[in-house]
Amino acid sequence: EDQVTQSPEALRLQEGESSSLNCSYTVSGLRGLFWYRQDPGKGPEFLFTLYSAGEEKEKERLKATLTKKESFLHITAPKPEDSATYLCAVQARTGGFKTIFGAGTRLFVKA
Amino acid sequence: TAGITQAPTSQILAAGRSMTLRCTQDMRHNAMYWYRQDLGLGLRLIHYSNTAGTTGKGEVPDGYSVSRANTDDFPLTLASAVPSQTSVYFCASSTDHPGEQYFGPGTRLTVT
Repeated sequence: EDQVTQSPEALRLQEGESSSLNCSYTVSGLRGLFWYRQDPGKGPEFLFTLYSAGEEKEKERLKATLTKKESFLHITAPKPEDSATYLCAVQARTGGFKTIFGAGTRLFVKA
Repeated sequence: TAGITQAPTSQILAAGRSMTLRCTQDMRHNAMYWYRQDLGLGLRLIHYSNTAGTTGKGEVPDGYSVSRANTDDFPLTLASAVPSQTSVYFCASSTDHPGEQYFGPGTRLTVT
């Protein structure tokens, strides 16, 4: 069964304190792994798509990496505006566009 | 462009009543999705559609039905609501190839 597990559930950082969020996945043939950001009361907003092990993507203070079993979202020198819930999701090669999301990591960045 | 719109924004529904949540996209995306989001459980896929005229079941399809008569609209129907269907519902769409999903603003549904 396809599964996505994110850790930690919550993470509190001081402004400027770099850290990483983890996404472990089990899927029968990875089609794509996705990272989203969700602010309170809003729908998720797309950040990155990763397709194969070894791939990396960057956007401002965020960098996403992918291995065969997990993905990391690295946050470098975070700012308070980076506070949000970060969601990881996978699509398998079979099953059309069926998408499985993790429960998310709630990030709090204090000034 | 509007992207994805959902209606209503919120609703209180008596148990046993039926309701249709509306979702419309103007991006001409082939794939559309319905999720529910509950505290601590994240987003769970209810139903999806690869293209107009086709639908598929997600993780939690029981008690819900969908239709996809055209590319733009993907309504979600609760035939007889139960309190466990209290949740925030998000509609999303994506292009053909694996890629980002665009989400609507959500519908907050309370079943009493």
